[in-house]
Amino acid sequence: DSGVTQTPKHLITATGQRVTLRCSPRSGDLSVYWYQQSLDQGLQFLIQYYNGEERAKGNILERFSAQQFPDLHSELNLSSLELGDSALYFCASSVDGWSTDTQYFGPGTRLTVL
Amino acid sequence: QQQVKQSPQSLIVQKGGISIINCAYENTAFDYFPWYQQFPGKGPALLIAIRPDVSEKKEGRFTISFNKSAKQFSLHIMDSQPGDSATYFCAASRFNDYKLSFGAGTTVTVRA
Repeated sequence: DSGVTQTPKHLITATGQRVTLRCSPRSGDLSVYWYQQSLDQGLQFLIQYYNGEERAKGNILERFSAQQFPDLHSELNLSSLELGDSALYFCASSVDGWSTDTQYFGPGTRLTVL
Repeated sequence: QQQVKQSPQSLIVQKGGISIINCAYENTAFDYFPWYQQFPGKGPALLIAIRPDVSEKKEGRFTISFNKSAKQFSLHIMDSQPGDSATYFCAASRFNDYKLSFGAGTTVTVRA
């Protein structure tokens, strides 16, 4: 158990809908990362937050947004969902947010868009 | 585009054999190279990492070999066990950077 929690575990929704994925980092970690994992794209970095502020951005679509709250939990919002958004979404956390930190991954949220 | 190219996509090895996964990168500013291991249904977890000031790092049955001039690094799993069956991701980053660039992953299956 990495200490990172993600909810929900599974999510099934329809095209055009909006969903929110939630992540609680390990105790003491200030940085949160979001990744998308699909069969054809591997592990794609979406966005990183450090202590409430956006720190780095990857291949995140404009339909997706995220935030980190004062209690350090984070939410990833996915809107106008398309079939291609079906994937595993991982949250990871680290102490300081530097690339050399060990990232601790949560168990993931499996999103299915029908 | 993929900043770290990983091969093979999958491999099958007999118990006791050696698994070798290769990664190549273009950005010469990269100076941190971790490997993450992911079991089915779980998130990835850090396995081992190397900096370019050494050419090899060993932890138990897992060894990273690093070739700076060729811009390549590889993971060797010695005496492979069925419990090593997982997907392995290489990654790379620059000093003072925030994010890792991951390879596409290699699924290793160890047959008993």
